[in-house]
Formats: sequence, structure tokens, C-alpha cells
Amino acid sequence: AQKVTQAQTEISVVEKEDVTLDCVYETRDTTYYLFWYKQPPSGELVFLIRRNSFDEQNEISGRYSWNFQKSTSSFNFTITASQVVDSAVYFCALSEPYNAGNMLTFGGGTRLMVKP
Amino acid sequence: EAQVTQNPRYLITVTGKKLTVTCSQNMNHEYMSWYRQDPGLGLRQIYYSMNVEVTDKGDVPEGYKVSRKEKRNFPLILESPSPNQTSLYFCASTATGVSTDTQYFGPGTRLTVL
Repeated sequence: AQKVTQAQTEISVVEKEDVTLDCVYETRDTTYYLFWYKQPPSGELVFLIRRNSFDEQNEISGRYSWNFQKSTSSFNFTITASQVVDSAVYFCALSEPYNAGNMLTFGGGTRLMVKP
Repeated sequence: EAQVTQNPRYLITVTGKKLTVTCSQNMNHEYMSWYRQDPGLGLRQIYYSMNVEVTDKGDVPEGYKVSRKEKRNFPLILESPSPNQTSLYFCASTATGVSTDTQYFGPGTRLTVL
């Protein structure tokens, strides 16, 4: 069965520091999809990125970057020069194409606190 | 504006009093689902629906019911709520049930059962 582990439950940094959120996943499928979502204090879930298992290129979007390494089953998320507005809970999630119901398997989340 | 809406956003109720949380999407999506979020557990799927009149259990369906009579609506029903159903609930939708689709989440409903 698929599983997503976010070992860091809480991270606290000072503004402008770089921070990496770890995500390790388990799946028996060779084709799968990985996601990151942000949940700010207001509670909604904000989609950040989707990556399929065949695309191991790292991606950068502004201050956000993602490092996908199939060899270690990891899909880590780095925020460069963190800001207070980055304070949120971040979820990593996995989806398998043969999994009935398009179910997303979520990690437990990492709460990031960015202090001014 | 494309969106998934949920009502109510906050609800405090008592054990055993039936309640319904509504979910509606305006994107003509075929697939809809419900998740609950609990600390340290992330989100877990309760029920999903591939299309009108087609529903199935997710990971944690006990104590919940759903219906899909119209494409846009997917209400979550708690016939006899219990305190262990206190949670944050999210409705989500995608164009189809294919896992390549990105799920769009509603704003969440925070439920407290006393």
C-alpha cells in the first residue's frame, strides 16, 4: 500500500532563512504522481505542484523549488529566503493511477513557522 | 470563478444529532470526494463519487453517508455524529477520476461534536 511520510512535524526558522521540507513516499507502482499542498492559518488547501514519476527534473517557481529523487523515494520542498507569509502547514501527497477513486494519500504534514 | 464551496464552514453539534455538510462545484467536474483532516494524520478520504449516482467508500467511511443526485453537489451526511468525528472536513473535485487530474479543494468545514 502507498504511504507518505513527512518526518518533520514542526519547523521554526527566522525570516530569510532557507528551509527544506522532507517527503518520503512508498509505492509499488512505477507510475504515480506526487503533490505538495499548502494550508495557511485560514485553513484552505492551496495546490502548489504536481509531478509525475517519469519526470525527475527539479522545478523552481520563484522562491519555491522541488527536488524529486526516485532513487531515494523523496520529493523534498525548499523555500528560499523564507517570509512570514510562508508560515503554514505543508502536505505532501501521492496518487497512483490504478488506485480506485483517485485517492490522494497524504503525509501527516509539516508545520512551518517563520518568525520575523 | 471556478470553485468548490462547502457549508457550513463551522459547526458545533451534539452527539446523535443528524447533520449534513453540503459541497458544490461549478466546474462541471465528474469526480468529487470527501476527506477529513486530523492532526498528525494528514487528510484521509471518506467517500468519493466518479459521477452522478456512483459513489464508493474511501479509507475511513464508517459513520458517514453520501449521495450524488446531481453532478454539482455531493453532500456528506452524519446520521448519528459522535465525538470522534470532530475534525476538519474537505470536499474536493476533479474533472475526471484519473489520477493525473489535480484535485481542487473546498475551504473546509470545521466540525465539533460534543
